[in-house]
Amino acid sequence: AQSVTQLDSHVSVSEGTPVLLRCNYSSSYSPSLFWYVQHPNKGLQLLLKYTSAATLVKGINGFEAEFKKSETSFHLTKPSAHMSDAAEYFCVVSPNDYKLSFGAGTTVTVRA
Amino acid sequence: GAGVSQSPRYKVAKRGQDVALRCDPISGHVSLFWYQQALGQGPEFLTYFQNEAQLDKSGLPSDRFFAERPEGSVSTLKIQRTQQEDSAVYLCASSPIGPSSSLAPEQFFGPGTRLTVL
Repeated sequence: AQSVTQLDSHVSVSEGTPVLLRCNYSSSYSPSLFWYVQHPNKGLQLLLKYTSAATLVKGINGFEAEFKKSETSFHLTKPSAHMSDAAEYFCVVSPNDYKLSFGAGTTVTVRA
Repeated sequence: GAGVSQSPRYKVAKRGQDVALRCDPISGHVSLFWYQQALGQGPEFLTYFQNEAQLDKSGLPSDRFFAERPEGSVSTLKIQRTQQEDSAVYLCASSPIGPSSSLAPEQFFGPGTRLTVL
């Protein structure tokens, strides 16, 4: 079975500083991996996805993630946090090309 | 353009009542998914439709849960004899392509229906 583990339940950063959200996955073969963001009272929005092309994936709003097979990791980063980045972030693996398996989520708060 | 819409946005039910949750996917999207998100948790897969066919219902927690998509567009998730543990946000998502693709397609999510069972 494929699953993801988000290593931090809550991350707090100052505006303008880097953001790092950690995710490890378990998979018996090369998975499809995603990061989704959920703002309060809004639907989940896709930030980026990895599907075995380039290992460094660039997404929307300045986010990027690097797939590291040797470490089974897919960490999400952003060089400079903005107040609008405050939200819940989910690392997601697709075990069979349609069913999504979500991590528990990381809450990001941004301090002014 | 219009995204995925869900109604109602909020539903309060007394234990034992039946509820019906509606999902309007993006027009023309082949695939439709339902997820359940408990408080403080990530969404969990419930069921999947390709057009009107329900291809996977492995995530439905009990036989009290039933989903349909009779004309391949709008879908309804029905919960019979609701219990307190059914309290959650129910998310619907749609995708323009089906599982024949070798790549996992992007799923577009609605805002969810928050169900509270008293």
